[in-house]
Amino acid sequence: GEDVEQSLFLSVREGDSSVINCTYTDSSSTYLYWYKQEPGAGLQLLTYIFSNMDMKQDQRLTVLLNKKDKHLSLRIADTQTGDSAIYFCAEKGTGFQKLVFGTGTRLLVSP
Amino acid sequence: DADVTQTPRNRITKTGKRIMLECSQTKGHDRMYWYRQDPGLGLQLIYYSFDVKDINKGEISDGYSVSRQAQAKFSLSLESAIPNQTALYFCATSSSRTSEETQYFGPGTRLLVL
Repeated sequence: GEDVEQSLFLSVREGDSSVINCTYTDSSSTYLYWYKQEPGAGLQLLTYIFSNMDMKQDQRLTVLLNKKDKHLSLRIADTQTGDSAIYFCAEKGTGFQKLVFGTGTRLLVSP
Repeated sequence: DADVTQTPRNRITKTGKRIMLECSQTKGHDRMYWYRQDPGLGLQLIYYSFDVKDINKGEISDGYSVSRQAQAKFSLSLESAIPNQTALYFCATSSSRTSEETQYFGPGTRLLVL
């Protein structure tokens, strides 16, 4: 079945770049997503990438997709303390539009 | 952003009680979902509905039921709550009219079953 894996924790200093990684198993994935969850809040969509793209940039966010290795990453440039949150990657396969979520990566940004 | 709202935001109940969690959306989306979130497990899909007359079980539907009263409303019921249903519950919506079909989440309901 489908599986999405992420590392559990990442700690960076303010101003550094953060890279959050995700691997998935479903080779038929059509879209891949990054969501952000702040404490006490729901999941907020950050960005998504279509499977025929290998990169997408949106302001401080850069998404890289290596479809051959089934590897997705989210790079946050100039990380701020407000970026501290849990980041989930998710993938959507063909057919039934269910999202499969990773377990989330907790990003801690220290001053 | 209050496009997807959930009530209540927090709930404490006792084992064996029946409770209902409500979700409403003003996004005009046709598809709605219920997830639960447990620490370290990500999100697991409980039920989903692609339209008012369409209800489908997700990965972990046992012990839950749902009702899609209107396109904008999707409620989740726990017929007889048990402690291992203590979790954070999220409602989400999406539109079949977009190819990427992004899901938009409500703020969540934190449920504690004693």
